Amino acid sequence: KAGVTQTPRYLIKTRGQQVTLSCSPISGHRSVSWYQQTPGQGLQFLFEYFSETQRNKGNFPGRFSGRQFSNSRSEMNVSTLELGDSALYLCATGQGIGELFFGEGSRLTVL
Amino acid sequence: AQKITQTQPGMFVQEKEAVTLDCTYDTSDPSYGLFWYKQPSSGEMIFLIYQGSYDQQNATEGRYSLNFQKARKSANLVISASQLGDSAMYFCAMREGGRGSGGSNYKLTFGKGTLLTVNP
Repeated sequence: KAGVTQTPRYLIKTRGQQVTLSCSPISGHRSVSWYQQTPGQGLQFLFEYFSETQRNKGNFPGRFSGRQFSNSRSEMNVSTLELGDSALYLCATGQGIGELFFGEGSRLTVL
Repeated sequence: AQKITQTQPGMFVQEKEAVTLDCTYDTSDPSYGLFWYKQPSSGEMIFLIYQGSYDQQNATEGRYSLNFQKARKSANLVISASQLGDSAMYFCAMREGGRGSGGSNYKLTFGKGTLLTVNP
């Protein structure tokens, strides 16, 4: 059974640009959640999608957005990038109450 | 107030010995779940173990066990027979609330982590 797949794994952008990250869940998982990990703030919840609907949202500015497609794949977008957006972005998918599996992450560097 | 507290920024253990990583949590919700993850230097978050607030027994998964003390709001991870490959960052996380509409709620709050180093 394939795991959670995130693309791209690494990317470099400049301030003001936008970026789109993709997450393909484990087969059968309909919930996808996104987290940002930085050395200063640690792991912070961004948002969660279930059946193409945003179910929860963290405390991030509107520049951070996401969506989920009918096949459960999810994308997150960050517009007008700032230096502070440099982080590891992790996607997690789950099905049962006690299961939440993460991908390897997308490491974003903003110059 | 922090919802998840991991008081040990770093821990050292000798290979083949057992180690306990501390985690305390704060919630007023009677229904919650507690997770432990391992994050090696590569960055991937590896799921280790889960404990539900209504589970009667402590969770175990191979060499990992969770020492769940509900009254003290603690959920310590015990790793038995440490191996060199156990060296990594370990995170405790909590999900508050039970199932949301259409399924489980996967909004997790993480602690700041404990860096475990296993010495040969």
